Amino acid sequence: EPEVTQTPSHQVTQMGQEVILRCVPISNHLYFYWYRQILGQKVEFLVSFYNNEISEKSEIFDDQFSVERPDGSNFTLKIRSTKLEDSAMYFCASSEAKLTSYEQYFGPGTRLTVT
Amino acid sequence: AQTVTQSQPEMSVQEAETVTLSCTYDTSESNYYLFWYKQPPSRQMILVIRQEAYKQQNATENRFSVNFQKAAKSFSLKISDSQLGDTAMYFCAFMTSTGNQFYFGTGTSLTVIP
Repeated sequence: EPEVTQTPSHQVTQMGQEVILRCVPISNHLYFYWYRQILGQKVEFLVSFYNNEISEKSEIFDDQFSVERPDGSNFTLKIRSTKLEDSAMYFCASSEAKLTSYEQYFGPGTRLTVT
Repeated sequence: AQTVTQSQPEMSVQEAETVTLSCTYDTSESNYYLFWYKQPPSRQMILVIRQEAYKQQNATENRFSVNFQKAAKSFSLKISDSQLGDTAMYFCAFMTSTGNQFYFGTGTSLTVIP
């Protein structure tokens, strides 16, 4: 069965450094999402992406964040200058279409630790 | 704004027994979707069960069923005949009918004891 994959599984970075989290969505999916979960807190929506542009974003997704689909298979989340509070588990998800966007398939997550 | 509350951070159940996980939510929307997702240790979140708010009948998927009380804004998950593979974090989630983002609860960690 197709799966969403994410790399790396764990990323450690120093405060102020740029980090790129990578996701490979399911191949025939058109909608892509990033969520994050700070330890002990809720999973929070960051951004959704369709047709090479952001379709929705939350207030968390400020200018420090950007997303890109650089090559038709990868979907990346970049944090330009990491802060301690960016430490979290980041989940990528994809869905086939807007009407069935509730059928989002999640990746296993990347644990980001900012020191 | 939509909020989802799971008041049980951890639960345990004996193998083959039944357990119920609680979830409440708050919304002003009239039509929406509710979900339970399961996340086994170090694995992806996978969809367990889905309920459309306009459907009065409670959704059922094999050993998993929900008790959807729309007026009370309650959406509990019942797992019957618990199996060791049910050990996971369970997330309750909400989506509006027009949106494409989930609103999640904080999760309930369920351990099935042999």
